[in-house]
Amino acid sequence: DIVVTQSPDSLAVSLGERATISCKSSQSVLDATHKKNYFAWYQQKPGQPPTLLIYWASTRESGVPDRFSGSGSGTDFTLTISCLQAEDVAVYYCQQYYSFPLTFGGGTTVEIK
Amino acid sequence: QITLKESGPTLLKPTQTLTLTCTFSGFSLSTTGMAVGWIRQPPGKALEFLAQIYWNDDKRYSSSLKNRLTITKDTSKKQVVLRMTNMDPVDTATYYCALRKIADGWYVEAYYIWGHGTVVTVSS
Repeated sequence: DIVVTQSPDSLAVSLGERATISCKSSQSVLDATHKKNYFAWYQQKPGQPPTLLIYWASTRESGVPDRFSGSGSGTDFTLTISCLQAEDVAVYYCQQYYSFPLTFGGGTTVEIK
Repeated sequence: QITLKESGPTLLKPTQTLTLTCTFSGFSLSTTGMAVGWIRQPPGKALEFLAQIYWNDDKRYSSSLKNRLTITKDTSKKQVVLRMTNMDPVDTATYYCALRKIADGWYVEAYYIWGHGTVVTVSS
């Protein structure tokens, strides 16, 4: 199984500031032929199911604000919230879908400082 | 509009078998490319993939749980059923079903529509 390690476990960011979350996979999730990284990001607010934010490591899901961006390739990936809003308080998860079983990171809790 | 809804028992005793049903609308699981997965989340913990079933009845399972899991579909009823045997208190979690994404003809093994989840508690 591919292990996905997420950091930090939590972070507190001031409103309007940048939040950065990292994930590292135990093996590359890059399809070099098609230049696609099989990596996704989710947001989960309390009491709600997750919502898909990013797939292919950097493609925003429909309706996701452009302050959310994904980057990285191979084994190292980053989710950036460029200008934190109050409604962005949530737990964020990364996921690899390069191979089954699908595996998720441990989650990062984003709070307002 | 696509929706998914999980149903099943809320409380089980250890060693019992869990049967969960995902009832969906707005798509057909007989359409080429469609797939529905099950994911669970213990209280305060991370998401864990359990199983996925495809339009062609192909199936994928968690490595650690595959001996306990069975996923099936009933296309006419628009349902996906997950069965997990030999339940234990560590299986206490919210269980979600979700729809796998297709984007620009590519199969993205990530979930873009989720049910609200159903809470399952295992306790003697």
